Amino acid sequence: QIQLVQSGSELKKPGASVKVSCKASGYTLTTYAMNWVRQAPGQGLEWMGWINTNTGNPTYAQNFTGRFVFSLDTSVSTAYLQISSLEAEDSATYFCARTYCGADCYAFDYWGQGTLVTVSS
Amino acid sequence: DIQLTQSPSFLSASVGDRVTITCRASQGLNSYLAWYQQKPGKAPKLLIYTASTLQSGVPSRFSGSGSGTEFTLTINSLQPEDFATYYCQQVNSYPRTFGQGTKVDIK
Repeated sequence: QIQLVQSGSELKKPGASVKVSCKASGYTLTTYAMNWVRQAPGQGLEWMGWINTNTGNPTYAQNFTGRFVFSLDTSVSTAYLQISSLEAEDSATYFCARTYCGADCYAFDYWGQGTLVTVSS
Repeated sequence: DIQLTQSPSFLSASVGDRVTITCRASQGLNSYLAWYQQKPGKAPKLLIYTASTLQSGVPSRFSGSGSGTEFTLTINSLQPEDFATYYCQQVNSYPRTFGQGTKVDIK
């Protein structure tokens, strides 16, 4: 069955970096685009951007330029989110989510379980 | 950017009730609107896409309607497992945006 399995929770100090992984199984990673979504504690969902899994080309939402990097390793069917120069405000749960496309692209049909990143000194 | 406004933000309901949540968009969406359910500590789950298409495996008590800028999610005969937060999302244009969420709580 199709699954997106993310890496475990992270506790980081301000200024450090973190890399979250999202391993796809049950389908070929390069068939569908991958999105990243942030959810701050007690808050709603915020789309961070997406990566074209065929070309590796990332697109970032306006609030997520500069310190955020999306990448892939297709040999292990895994997408990555790296955040550098972590700030307390980056403390959140980060989800990967696959874009469902048929004739067009319609929604995010499979989601990872989420990775909690806590930034604290 | 397209803004999505859900109403209400919070509602209390009882098992068996019919519940309706509205999502209004700041621009027309050509029916490219999805609905998700999220329970505490869990990932969102896709319920409906293209405004009214039920995702495979989702119970038929969930339905979606609307077009243009106004959309609704209806839950007929609310079940105990339906108490959760619901989000709308537009996939008509970039950046993808979500509504602020509607929490459905037990009355």
